[in-house]
Amino acid sequence: QKEVEQNSGPLSVPEGAIASLNCTYSDRGSQSFFWYRQYSGKSPELIMSIYSNGDKEDGRFTAQLNKASQYVSLLIRDSQPSDSATYLCAVKAAGNKLTFGGGTRVLVKP
Amino acid sequence: NAGVTQTPKFRILKIGQSMTLQCTQDMNHNYMYWYRQDPGMGLKLIYYSVGAGITDKGEVPNGYNVSRSTTEDFPLRLELAAPSQTSVYFCASSYGEGRSNSPLHFGNGTRLTVT
Repeated sequence: QKEVEQNSGPLSVPEGAIASLNCTYSDRGSQSFFWYRQYSGKSPELIMSIYSNGDKEDGRFTAQLNKASQYVSLLIRDSQPSDSATYLCAVKAAGNKLTFGGGTRVLVKP
Repeated sequence: NAGVTQTPKFRILKIGQSMTLQCTQDMNHNYMYWYRQDPGMGLKLIYYSVGAGITDKGEVPNGYNVSRSTTEDFPLRLELAAPSQTSVYFCASSYGEGRSNSPLHFGNGTRLTVT
């Protein structure tokens, strides 16, 4: 079993709709969770971090964490064509070593 | 503020050649990392360092070496390049333990092709 799993996509959503991305992880000791966005040919950039169970909102982005079920999700509201990118889930367990999932490619169609 | 700087941006190597990928950061971060990303895949950790003089292996260290003589620099050495090392290499840094949940700051990447 991979440590951090994501559906590779592509996840195709119409402009203005909600994109929902999921990520599961295997290490129950994981403490910190991050979502990175990566445009084609570019480096990843942090868009959200979450550490406690529940929801965290930042603009059009909402991260949701459920440690009991070992999943973290990202919602993108009012999706825009500029949101088309690959979204990487990253999980930190002991130490400061981040393990990344394979990424979910999101395609927002005008 | 330059952040994390990687050089070169692109490189083509012949099988068996060696090279060093350079990485430097000016944020006084303790932790530095090298990841590789194959096409359509996520990032895999090659090596990381929690401070000058300390390095440790990640998931895919074979064929690579690192050193950390200063806080700022974390070069990645490829010895005897192989086609399987064709990838995009990202260097990253963070504050690390003691600065809770600090995110990674990435360089712009080095695209390496081995033929």
